[in-house]
Amino acid sequence: EDQVTQSPEALRLQEGESSSLNCSYTVSGLRGLFWYRQDPGKGPEFLFTLYSAGEEKEKERLKATLTKKESFLHITAPKPEDSATYLCAVQAWGGGSEKLVFGKGTKLTVNP
Amino acid sequence: KAGVTQTPRYLIKTRGQQVTLSCSPISGHRSVSWYQQTPGQGLQFLFEYFSETQRNKGNFPGRFSGRQFSNSRSEMNVSTLELGDSALYLCASSREGVRASPLHFGNGTRLTVT
Repeated sequence: EDQVTQSPEALRLQEGESSSLNCSYTVSGLRGLFWYRQDPGKGPEFLFTLYSAGEEKEKERLKATLTKKESFLHITAPKPEDSATYLCAVQAWGGGSEKLVFGKGTKLTVNP
Repeated sequence: KAGVTQTPRYLIKTRGQQVTLSCSPISGHRSVSWYQQTPGQGLQFLFEYFSETQRNKGNFPGRFSGRQFSNSRSEMNVSTLELGDSALYLCASSREGVRASPLHFGNGTRLTVT
């Protein structure tokens, strides 16, 4: 069964304290891995797409990397406005159809 | 470019009633998906429409249905509402392409069933 697991469930950081969020997956036929940011009461906002192992994408203080079994979202010198829930989703091909599987997210809180 | 628009933003309904939610995708996007989000279960896939046809369906009862119009706009209907249907309902659109395309979400409709 295709699975996406995010860890930790919640993370508290001080402003400027860098860290990483993890997304591990067990799917066959990976087509792409997506990272989203979701603020309370809003829909997820698309951040990155990664297609193959070794690929990296960056945007401001965020950097996403991908291996054959997991992806990391590195947050460098976070600010309070980076507080949000970060979701990972994996798109895979299997059984004759495409599937998109979401993880349950990591809730990040950055204290000033 | 306008994003995905969902209406209404909030709805309060009584158990047993039915509800219709609306979604306008990003211009040029022909695929529309619907998700239910609750604190305990996270994002759960309801269904996906492409060119007015349901292409994929999640594991929800038949009370949940949807449709897509020729302009790609979509509606979702829930009949005989239950308390457990209270959730944030999210619509997302995507562009078809050779590579996996990300979903772009609206801000959802918050449904409360009393």
